[in-house]
Amino acid sequence: AQKVTQAQTEISVVEKEDVTLDCVYETRDTTYYLFWYKQPPSGELVFLIRRNSFDEQNEISGRYSWNFQKSTSSFNFTITASQVVDSAVYFCALSEPNAGNNRKLIWGLGTSLAVNP
Amino acid sequence: KAGVTQTPRYLIKTRGQQVTLSCSPISGHRSVSWYQQTPGQGLQFLFEYFSETQRNKGNFPGRFSGRQFSNSRSEMNVSTLELGDSALYLCASSLRWGALETQYFGPGTRLLVL
Repeated sequence: AQKVTQAQTEISVVEKEDVTLDCVYETRDTTYYLFWYKQPPSGELVFLIRRNSFDEQNEISGRYSWNFQKSTSSFNFTITASQVVDSAVYFCALSEPNAGNNRKLIWGLGTSLAVNP
Repeated sequence: KAGVTQTPRYLIKTRGQQVTLSCSPISGHRSVSWYQQTPGQGLQFLFEYFSETQRNKGNFPGRFSGRQFSNSRSEMNVSTLELGDSALYLCASSLRWGALETQYFGPGTRLLVL
């Protein structure tokens, strides 16, 4: 069965610390996408990154970086030099097509990150 | 480009009532999906619409329904509200429908059922 596990329910760090949010997924498909979204206290889910199953290149965007490893079925997210504005709940999600390209988006339960000044 | 908008942002209803939530997608996006988010269950997929047709549906009772209009705006309706329907309802839009499209979310409607 398809599943996304974010083992860290809550993380608390002090500003400027680096923090890694873990995401482990299970799927039998060879074609799938992985996503990270950020949900600040306002509630809106903000898209951060999409990675397809055939592209294992790591990605860096400013202070954000993502490490995709198919061998361990993990798609971890690192924030370097964290800031208070990074405080939010972060969701990892797995999207794979059902028959007929129907969307099947499986979400992790999220990791609540608190960055303290 | 304006993002996904949802109205109303907050709503209080009582058990047994019905409610209609509205979502306007990003301009040019033709697919709209709806999700329910609760602390206990996390994010759960309700349904997805594209070109006024429901393309995919989650495991929710028939009290939850939706529709999409020709301008891609979508509404979601919940009839005979129950206490457990209290949640954040999120709408997401994408250019096309399907598993490999990136979804962009609105701010959500917080529904409280008393």
